[in-house]
Amino acid sequence: QSVLTQPPSVSAAPGQKVTISCSGHSSNIGNNYVSWFQQLPGTAPKLLISDNNKRPSGIPDRFSGSKSGTSATLGITGLQTGDEADYYCGTWDSSLSAYVFGSGTKVTVL
Amino acid sequence: EVQLMESGGGLVQPGGSLRLSCAASGFTFSTYWMHWVRQAPGEGLEWVANIKQDGTTKYYVDSVKGRFTISRDNAKNSLYLQMDSLRYEDTAIYYCVREIGGSGAYWGQGTLVTVSS
Repeated sequence: QSVLTQPPSVSAAPGQKVTISCSGHSSNIGNNYVSWFQQLPGTAPKLLISDNNKRPSGIPDRFSGSKSGTSATLGITGLQTGDEADYYCGTWDSSLSAYVFGSGTKVTVL
Repeated sequence: EVQLMESGGGLVQPGGSLRLSCAASGFTFSTYWMHWVRQAPGEGLEWVANIKQDGTTKYYVDSVKGRFTISRDNAKNSLYLQMDSLRYEDTAIYYCVREIGGSGAYWGQGTLVTVSS
């Protein structure tokens, strides 16, 4: 049972938009920065978004992050077949003194 | 170019020990928090432990407390994970990660640990 809650899967047609939610508590998302990670099939995870909404260099602006209260959201616009992957949110939990991940969301391009 | 190269994984019996290493290059290792994250076959990500830049502060997930020990050698640009009293449920790919929650986050390719009799 993950500390952060994500939907198991989302899907959309190429060119469309998807959003992935990440719900937590005041001890984690509510008081700490959220990151998002992309894991393409058979590869190691990669940073997609840091500090709630910052994209590292090389990450296209089709990917965006936001946070409100104890929830965070990852948005992907202009969906491409290459975006098919598992996406994880993560943040520090001050009560657990541990970094926590969401359960992951599989994005499927129809 | 930033590189994190894990090694030391393999097959071990329940109750056994294994020491993972992570060789870092392409950045100033001593200035970053470092982490171990694992992923069981077909499962999601689980953070295991982290260590401060100077090695004075360490945190662990509850399931490995008292069994795993994270350490680092800044002179050798290396991160370690000593794993004792291994259990079946410790079977996973173990990733070495730089600054997991920041803009400089970077993941190694991982090393597979299999606990089986």
